Amino acid sequence: AQSVTQPDIHITVSEGASLELRCNYSYGATPYLFWYVQSPGQGLQLLLKYFSGDTLVQGIKGFEAEFKRSQSSFNLRKPSVHWSDAAEYFCAVGTTSGTYKYIFGTGTRLKVLA
Amino acid sequence: EPEVTQTPSHQVTQMGQEVILRCVPISNHLYFYWYRQILGQKVEFLVSFYNNEISEKSEIFDDQFSVERPDGSNFTLKIRSTKLEDSAMYFCASTIQLNTEAFFGQGTRLTVV
Repeated sequence: AQSVTQPDIHITVSEGASLELRCNYSYGATPYLFWYVQSPGQGLQLLLKYFSGDTLVQGIKGFEAEFKRSQSSFNLRKPSVHWSDAAEYFCAVGTTSGTYKYIFGTGTRLKVLA
Repeated sequence: EPEVTQTPSHQVTQMGQEVILRCVPISNHLYFYWYRQILGQKVEFLVSFYNNEISEKSEIFDDQFSVERPDGSNFTLKIRSTKLEDSAMYFCASTIQLNTEAFFGQGTRLTVV
């Protein structure tokens, strides 16, 4: 079955520390992969996307993610977290077979300590 | 920057009432979607819509739900007789074509009491 797993429900980091949010997917075909961020009361903002090519992708706000096919992972990283990064982060797979739609993970809520 | 707009941002309705959630997708986009997020849970696909037809609907999208593109700009989700369990944040999204990134609206928080 198609699924996306974000194993960490909550993560707390200190401002200035590095961050890695994990995402694993289960999908039979080559997936399109996305990370979205949702601030409280806000919608979903695209951070970055992977369709093909270079497996390390750069996004907005200093985020990057690496696609590892062998591990079925698409982890999100940031070298130095800012207090404004506190939000909920969603990994998603865009299905490439059948009707195009997103399958989302359960999200990781990031808390940043000053 | 073009964006997807949803109205209202918050709607409170009584159980059994009909609600219509409205969305204005990005103007040159062709594919439209509704997703929902029950509080504390993940975002779930409801329905996709293209060329004035439903392309796919999930198990959640039962006979109480319908979608419509009544004119060239709006895309609506109707819940005919709301239940308590319909309380959720509903997101509209659009894509310019298949297999591209979706642009999401800010969401409508629906509270059924």
